[in-house]
Amino acid sequence: GAGVSQSPSNKVTEKGKDVELRCDPISGHTALYWYRQSLGQGLEFLIYFQGNSAPDKSGLPSDRFSAERTGGSVSTLTIQRTQQEDSAVYLCASSLMYEQYFGPGTRLTVT
Amino acid sequence: GENVEQHPSTLSVQEGDSAVIKCTYSDSASNYFPWYKQELGKGPQLIIDIRSNVGEKKDQRIAVTLNKTAKHFSLHITETQPEDSAVYFCAASKPSGGSNYKLTFGKGTLLTVNP
Repeated sequence: GAGVSQSPSNKVTEKGKDVELRCDPISGHTALYWYRQSLGQGLEFLIYFQGNSAPDKSGLPSDRFSAERTGGSVSTLTIQRTQQEDSAVYLCASSLMYEQYFGPGTRLTVT
Repeated sequence: GENVEQHPSTLSVQEGDSAVIKCTYSDSASNYFPWYKQELGKGPQLIIDIRSNVGEKKDQRIAVTLNKTAKHFSLHITETQPEDSAVYFCAASKPSGGSNYKLTFGKGTLLTVNP
């Protein structure tokens, strides 16, 4: 069956611009997670959704980061006023219970 | 919060040999321990996992062991093949409100299997 998909696969943006990253989870998976992967910090948790609500936003690094999920499915991660330190691979994972299945990621480069 | 240490950071083996990667965790409440394989340019792929009520789990050439008392768990790959070459990540998780199983990852191990 279809796995987790993310778009775009690559995004290059100028410092100060806003970006939106999209995640399509596996159909029927109620839990959705965003993680960030960077050379310096490894893989870090950002935010957790159960259905459309986000009870755990503890990993978001600043108030420039926000996310939403609609219809219990697609999620969008938005980064406002991007900074060079935001450059990383942003990964989405979906889950029914324990097992999390990851998408291919969006590589964000801020110039 | 949880801290996961992973060793070694790089591992090179000959095809057919075994490979072992070890992780330790700090939070005794953690009860779910998955392992992921990540190839270049791809997302992490779940290859095996273990829950705290089990000490060992096998799936063909891959096995994971868990020692809750010592708070460490290991990945064992037998009869390695060149296609096993990738970065492997361990992770730990505990229920954090409802069905929240956010993962804390180790720093990864680059495994190279030489033909």
